[in-house]
Amino acid sequence: GENVEQHPSTLSVQEGDSAVIKCTYSDSASNYFPWYKQELGKGPQLIIDIRSNVGEKKDQRIAVTLNKTAKHFSLHITETQPEDSAVYFCAASINTNAGKSTFGDGTTLTVKP
Amino acid sequence: GAVVSQHPSWVICKSGTSVKIECRSLDFQATTMFWYRQFPKQSLMLMATSNEGSKATYEQGVEKDKFLINHASLTLSTLTVTSAHPEDSSFYICSAWHSPGYEQYFGPGTRLTVT
Repeated sequence: GENVEQHPSTLSVQEGDSAVIKCTYSDSASNYFPWYKQELGKGPQLIIDIRSNVGEKKDQRIAVTLNKTAKHFSLHITETQPEDSAVYFCAASINTNAGKSTFGDGTTLTVKP
Repeated sequence: GAVVSQHPSWVICKSGTSVKIECRSLDFQATTMFWYRQFPKQSLMLMATSNEGSKATYEQGVEKDKFLINHASLTLSTLTVTSAHPEDSSFYICSAWHSPGYEQYFGPGTRLTVT
């Protein structure tokens, strides 16, 4: 089955700096790669996703890149703010499998004011 | 984005009793919903896939007789933890598959504490 590895497990940045979280996956059939933000005591919130037919996607301060050859994808957050502090999860799935995703172990991002 | 709700948000029950958690897709129909369990500072562990009108598919190691899942309509799936024990205490999260957008949306989670 699919295996997703996520790094780093913790990340601390200064407000205004950029943050990068990286994930690798094992199943070359995976074609959908979402990123979720989870705040303490809440469910994960979809923040951005990318599909295998594109290499990069951007939404304001958040961007995701995908390298299918190397089987890795990354989340980039620019101009970080304290409210970006949360746990971020990457995931990989095959669209035809109705969204059954394999999740990374999560990255705890702390943005220091 | 699409909205998924869960009820209750937290529940405390005594050992040996059963607890039902509801998951609803509020503004879209979901033929497929998922149930996850999350331990503190850990990732999400998929328990089962719930399909409307059919039996749920459980992941390996998940007791289907203990975690009863019913997906009776296109907007509602329920998880019943039967004969709960303290080790069942956890954060349970559901998600719904939004097929038009090929995206998965999560509920806010239910904190279960078994005393």
